[in-house]
Amino acid sequence: DIVMTQSPDSLAVSLGERATINCKSSQSVLYSSNNKNYLAWYHQKPGQPPKLLIYWASTRASGVPDRFSGSGSGTDFTLTISSLQAEDVAVYYCQQYYSTPYTFGQGTKLEIK
Amino acid sequence: QVQLVQSGAEVKKPGASVKVSCKASGYTFTGYYMHWVRQAPGQGLEWMGWINPDSGDTNYAQKFQGWVIMTRDTSISTAYLALNRLRSDNTAVYYCARGLWGSNAFDIWGQGTMVTVSS
Repeated sequence: DIVMTQSPDSLAVSLGERATINCKSSQSVLYSSNNKNYLAWYHQKPGQPPKLLIYWASTRASGVPDRFSGSGSGTDFTLTISSLQAEDVAVYYCQQYYSTPYTFGQGTKLEIK
Repeated sequence: QVQLVQSGAEVKKPGASVKVSCKASGYTFTGYYMHWVRQAPGQGLEWMGWINPDSGDTNYAQKFQGWVIMTRDTSISTAYLALNRLRSDNTAVYYCARGLWGSNAFDIWGQGTMVTVSS
């Protein structure tokens, strides 16, 4: 199984500041035949299901604000929120869909400082 | 609009079975894989498997093989997750989630079904 490890486990950022969350996979999730990274990011607010933010490591899902961006390739990935808003408080998860079982990181709790 | 609506919360005794439903609307049910994801209280997300609603083919995470069964009824655009021989550590919220076309990122999620296993 591919193990996904996020850092940090929790993060406190001031409103309007940048937030960065890292995700590392135990093996590459880059599929060489199409040069795509099989990596997604979600956030989950209390009492709600997760919401897809980013797929293919850097493609924003429909309706996701452009302050959210994803980067990285192979085994190392980053989610960046360029200017934190109050509504961004949530737990953030990365997920690989390169091979089954699809696996998630342990989650990063993002709070307002 | 595109949505997945799951059945309501369940309370079961150890050893019992439960079947959770997930009704799709707003899109062609047979055109997208359906995944099931588990979240124990206060914990992270765990992928359980997928079903291809068109063919009925399934792919279960090894951890769940032998005690979960995923099925579908295309006539009513509904996917089902059956859990057998429930234990207290199966207490969790169970989500259905649609696989984004062309990938298996999960773009639409059901609201979740809480299954509580308690004697």
